[in-house]
Order: sequence, then structure tokens, then C-alpha cells
Amino acid sequence: AQSVTQLGSHVSVSEGALVLLRCNYSSSVPPYLFWYVQYPNQGLQLLLKYTSAATLVKGINGFEAEFKKSETSFHLTKPSAHMSDAAEYFCAVSGYSTLTFGKGTMLLVSP
Amino acid sequence: KAGVTQTPRYLIKTRGQQVTLSCSPISGHRSVSWYQQTPGQGLQFLFEYFSETQRNKGNFPGRFSGRQFSNSRSEMNVSTLELGDSALYLCASSLERSSYEQYFGPGTRLTVT
Repeated sequence: AQSVTQLGSHVSVSEGALVLLRCNYSSSVPPYLFWYVQYPNQGLQLLLKYTSAATLVKGINGFEAEFKKSETSFHLTKPSAHMSDAAEYFCAVSGYSTLTFGKGTMLLVSP
Repeated sequence: KAGVTQTPRYLIKTRGQQVTLSCSPISGHRSVSWYQQTPGQGLQFLFEYFSETQRNKGNFPGRFSGRQFSNSRSEMNVSTLELGDSALYLCASSLERSSYEQYFGPGTRLTVT
């Protein structure tokens, strides 16, 4: 069984500030982990994925995430927020051909 | 390569009616999964189809069903609609069942009145 916990339903940052979105997972098998982004009235876009290779994963739009097995975490970061990063972000853990999602974190970016 | 397409994008139905949603996966992708997204429950897995067979099912009542055609296109059906079925229904495709990377369509926004 898998589960994902995203800490904070809303995160507010200023443009240019560090973005940190937190994700903790639970999995009975070595996990595959994902971050997706959803813009209003759109589907989910894959940002990055961890599939047991490098623990630091780089994704699109300058985002990266680090897999920490000891902390069962997969936090998403971006050094400098841009207004266009405002969206909802979902962390997910994969079972065989299914995804279990966290509740999502809405990222708000102010000028 | 075209992405996952879903039709229709928006739908308004009345309680008690039934609805069919359609999903065309990325060309060459053989696995299609469906998810329901609501503000209260978030994203929940409905079912997965591969080679025209349902391989996995989430915890939803039997009113929710689906099928997959030989060209990998998929439809899902909801019968006897309830107000609580109002949601964004997302379809995702992947290359094979063992491909953990899923690509999502834009979704169908269903409103039940």
C-alpha cells in the first residue's frame, strides 16, 4: 500500500524567492515518485520523476527534487520563483500502473 | 506527437442520467488509466485498461465502468448520475503497464445538477 502526504495546502512566496514544496511518502516496496503540476482548467503535467537512479532529480522549468530514503521524503525545490510557477503541485507514488496522489499544494507567487 | 485527448471537455447532466467520456491516448501507448478529481477527495484512481481488459479498479461503485478498444482508445461510463459525481475526470496513458510514467489529458469537467 502507498500513501503520500503533502505538507501545506497553500505555500506563498515572493517572485525570486526559493520554492520548497514538501512531500513524504509511504510505500511497502521501493517507490517510484513523481511531481506533477496543474494549471487552472488543465490536466496534470509531469515535472520530474524518481525511478531509483540518481537521488537528485532535475525536471522541467528549473525544478528539482531529492529522494531521501531515511526521511521518506521527496521535496520539490526551485531556487528562484517566477510568476508563471503559480499553480497546484501534486506529489505521487507509483504502484504497478496506478498512481497515488497527495492532496496537492497550491503555490502562490507574489510580485 | 499529439498528446492525450479527451472529449468532451465540459458536460452538464441531470441526476439520474448517464454519461460517456472518451479518451484517446498518445499514439503507441497501450495503457489507459482514469482518475476522478474533486476538491474534497483530491485525485482518486478509477480504473486502468490494457489490451482491452480492465487490469485494476479503484474503490468506486459499479455505476462507474469503462472499456478499451483495439486501438487503445478508452471510454468511461457513469450511470445513474449523482450530484457527488460532479468532478474533473482525467485520463492518463502510458506506453506499457510497466511504464510508471503517465501522461495526462486535459480532463472532462462533469457537472451534475
